[in-house]
Amino acid sequence: AQKITQTQPGMFVQEKEAVTLDCTYDTSDQSYGLFWYKQPSSGEMIFLIYQGSYDEQNATEGRYSLNFQKARKSANLVISASQLGDSAMYFCAMILFGNEKLTFGTGTRLTIIP
Amino acid sequence: GAGVSQTPSNKVTEKGKYVELRCDPISGHTALYWYRQSLGQGPEFLIYFQGTGAADDSGLPNDRFFAVRPEGSVSTLKIQRTERGDSAVYLCASSPFGANYGYTFGSGTRLTVV
Repeated sequence: AQKITQTQPGMFVQEKEAVTLDCTYDTSDQSYGLFWYKQPSSGEMIFLIYQGSYDEQNATEGRYSLNFQKARKSANLVISASQLGDSAMYFCAMILFGNEKLTFGTGTRLTIIP
Repeated sequence: GAGVSQTPSNKVTEKGKYVELRCDPISGHTALYWYRQSLGQGPEFLIYFQGTGAADDSGLPNDRFFAVRPEGSVSTLKIQRTERGDSAVYLCASSPFGANYGYTFGSGTRLTVV
């Protein structure tokens, strides 16, 4: 069974600084996808970025990038130039290709300080 | 509507009562998912529908939980004989074809069993 580990329960970052949220995963499968979601206080899970296990380039979406290190089984999220609106819970998740279940980590609460 | 709609947004019920939670997916999305998010945790998979049929219900915790999607659009999660441990946020998500194409989540129903 796959597992996602997020070791940072909470982080405080100064506005405009870059922040890295850690995520490691455990699976014996070779075909999988990794996701990051943002969950503000409203509760909705907002998709941020996706990385497939066979993608050779690290995924980027605007201010978000995913630092994918396959050999180390890590998929850290990097947010550049943080903004106050980035304050939220962030979840890393994994899916095995051919399966429909997302497995989530326990999340990191990010607080941006003005 | 443009997004996944869940009703009610909040539900308080007494232990032992029956509850129904509704999910309206994005129009045309064939795949629909239910997740449960307990306090301080990431979402956990409950059940997945492709069209009208439950393709994977392996995440349902016990036989008190049941979900239907009779016409392939709206889904209802039904919980019988509710227990205090059922208190959580129940999230619904939909996808045009399957999970690898990305999920869109609703804002969830917060269920409190007193």
